[in-house]
Amino acid sequence: AQSVTQLGSHVSVSEGALVLLRCNYSSSVPPYLFWYVQYPNQGLQLLLKYTSAATLVKGINGFEAEFKKSETSFHLTKPSAHMSDAAEYFCAVSERNRDDKIIFGKGTRLHILP
Amino acid sequence: EPEVTQTPSHQVTQMGQEVILRCVPISNHLYFYWYRQILGQKVEFLVSFYNNEISEKSEIFDDQFSVERPDGSNFTLKIRSTKLEDSAMYFCASRQNTDTQYFGPGTRLTVL
Repeated sequence: AQSVTQLGSHVSVSEGALVLLRCNYSSSVPPYLFWYVQYPNQGLQLLLKYTSAATLVKGINGFEAEFKKSETSFHLTKPSAHMSDAAEYFCAVSERNRDDKIIFGKGTRLHILP
Repeated sequence: EPEVTQTPSHQVTQMGQEVILRCVPISNHLYFYWYRQILGQKVEFLVSFYNNEISEKSEIFDDQFSVERPDGSNFTLKIRSTKLEDSAMYFCASRQNTDTQYFGPGTRLTVL
């Protein structure tokens, strides 16, 4: 069975500071990994995804994530936080080569301090 | 850019009533999904649908739930007799043959 653990339900960073949102996954088969963002009262928007190509994945809005198989991690980073980054971020996993469901983590709410 | 749409954006219903949530997936997509998010909780998988049949369903998706693709464009989720605990945001998603699921904006269901 697959699962995702996001460390920290709330993370606060100052505007301009590094953003680091942690995600660890568990999967018995090679996974697809995703980060989704949810702005208040909106749906889920794909930030980036890992599907077995480069381990460092670049996404929208300056975010990137690195797949580390040895650590079963897929942490999300952004060098410099912007006020508009305040949102809920979900790490997610699915099985490769199947029309399979996405398993989401519990989410991390990112707060940006002025 | 094509997107998944959902209607209505907000549905209020009385407990025991039937509701139908509607989704229009991206037109050339083949795989369809419903997820739900209870307020303050994580997004949970409900059901996947391919080739006019259910591929997989979660334990949440009991006999009160059903899905249908009545025509070439709509994908619906029906809850036969709503319960208070069905109150949640329901997301539709679709994908082509690739790995990326595209999510709609959601329908907020409130059961009174």
